[in-house]
Amino acid sequence: QKEVEQDPGPLSVPEGAIVSLNCTYSNSAFQYFMWYRQYSRKGPELLMYTYSSGNKEDGRFTAQVDKSSKYISLFIRDSQPSDSATYLCAMTGGYQKVTFGTGTKLQVIP
Amino acid sequence: EPEVTQTPSHQVTQMGQEVILRCVPISNHLYFYWYRQILGQKVEFLVSFYNNEISEKSEIFDDQFSVERPDGSNFTLKIRSTKLEDSAMYFCASRNQQDRQEKLFFGSGTQLSVL
Repeated sequence: QKEVEQDPGPLSVPEGAIVSLNCTYSNSAFQYFMWYRQYSRKGPELLMYTYSSGNKEDGRFTAQVDKSSKYISLFIRDSQPSDSATYLCAMTGGYQKVTFGTGTKLQVIP
Repeated sequence: EPEVTQTPSHQVTQMGQEVILRCVPISNHLYFYWYRQILGQKVEFLVSFYNNEISEKSEIFDDQFSVERPDGSNFTLKIRSTKLEDSAMYFCASRNQQDRQEKLFFGSGTQLSVL
C-alpha cells in the first residue's frame, strides 16, 4: 500500500462549482497535513496546512482531516478559472521529510 | 514577498557530465531541502540540510549526489555523473527555524534534461 494515495484526475468542473479533492494515507506517524497548488512547470505553493482532525477554513478553501480514517480533503468553493492547477496533498510527522501525493489536475471551465 | 530562487531554470547536459544546480533560500531560513519531480510523477524528497550537514536523505540520494552551502546565501546540489534517469524537475525548498516542515517554501525549479 502506498503511503499517500491521491486520485490523479483530471477533474474538470464549471466555474462556480464546489470542488472536492481527496487523499488517503497509511502512515500513522503523519501528524501534519498540507495542500499545495502547482501550476505547470512551477514549484509547489503552500495553500493550507493543518495539524488536527476537523476543518480549517481560509477564504474559499477548506481543509478537512479525519485521522481515524486516514483521509484528508480540500474543498474549493465558488471555483474560478484561476484555480486551474494541480493540487498536491502532502504530509509529515513534523520534523521529517514531507511525503507528497501524486497530485490531482483540476480544470475550471469558464 | 521573500522567495526561494533557483538557477538555471533549465539545464541540458550529456550523460556522464557533472551538473550543479543552484538555489538561494529565503534569507532567514536555516533548513534547506532538495526535492525532485520526474515528469508525470510525484514530488520526491532527496535531502535535507541544516547547520552545514545533511540531516536526512532518501535512497535516491546516492554517492553521485552531494549538497553544499558554499557561502551564506547559496545552497547547491551537485550530480557528479548524470544518468538519463536523473532527468527531472529539481526543487529547492527552505523553512524557518521555528517552523516544522509543513511550512516549506519551494523555488520554481530547475528542469534537468540528460541526453
